[in-house]
Amino acid sequence: ILNVEQSPQSLHVQEGDSTNFTCSFPSSNFYALHWYRWETAKSPEALFVMTLNGDEKKKGRISATLNTKEGYSYLYIKGSQPEDSATYLCAFPYLTQGGSEKLVFGKGTKLTVNP
Amino acid sequence: EAQVTQNPRYLITVTGKKLTVTCSQNMNHEYMSWYRQDPGLGLRQIYYSMNVEVTDKGDVPEGYKVSRKEKRNFPLILESPSPNQTSLYFCASTRTGWETEAFFGQGTRLTVV
Repeated sequence: ILNVEQSPQSLHVQEGDSTNFTCSFPSSNFYALHWYRWETAKSPEALFVMTLNGDEKKKGRISATLNTKEGYSYLYIKGSQPEDSATYLCAFPYLTQGGSEKLVFGKGTKLTVNP
Repeated sequence: EAQVTQNPRYLITVTGKKLTVTCSQNMNHEYMSWYRQDPGLGLRQIYYSMNVEVTDKGDVPEGYKVSRKEKRNFPLILESPSPNQTSLYFCASTRTGWETEAFFGQGTRLTVV
């Protein structure tokens, strides 16, 4: 089973703090790297799909960078707000030896922003 | 509106009583998959389908069956549920190639007693 690692597992920050977390994935046979935001009692929703080394994407106060050669992606949140509290998941698609496409998720980073 | 619809949202059942969780998408996506989410373990793939009549096992397929007779539907079948299948289940769909995001259903909270 292919491993996608996220760190830290959980994070508590104060409102207004900026924060970042990491997703590590295999650097070989790269297709794309996904980031999802998962609020409690809801479904995961996509934030970014990143496909190119050096890619940098931004959505409001949230941004992400990608390094495919070393196999990591960072997610940044600037000026965290309580509504940013959620679990942030990264997912790594890959092609199996049998030719099937699979999407493997990390365990997520649970962010809590205290007012 | 583009969506993935799962039913039911909540289900309590008894050990051994066959059940089906339905999943339907309206985006003409080729790829659909089922995940279960358990505390500390993240989202784990149960089964997936790359297109009609093409399905394959994910990482935790034991005790589950799927079928893909139509492109829009991908039901998850538990022939003889057991308490260790108590979990939160998500269906997801995407276009093949993974250059676009996966869309998730609302989730099904299953309890097997």
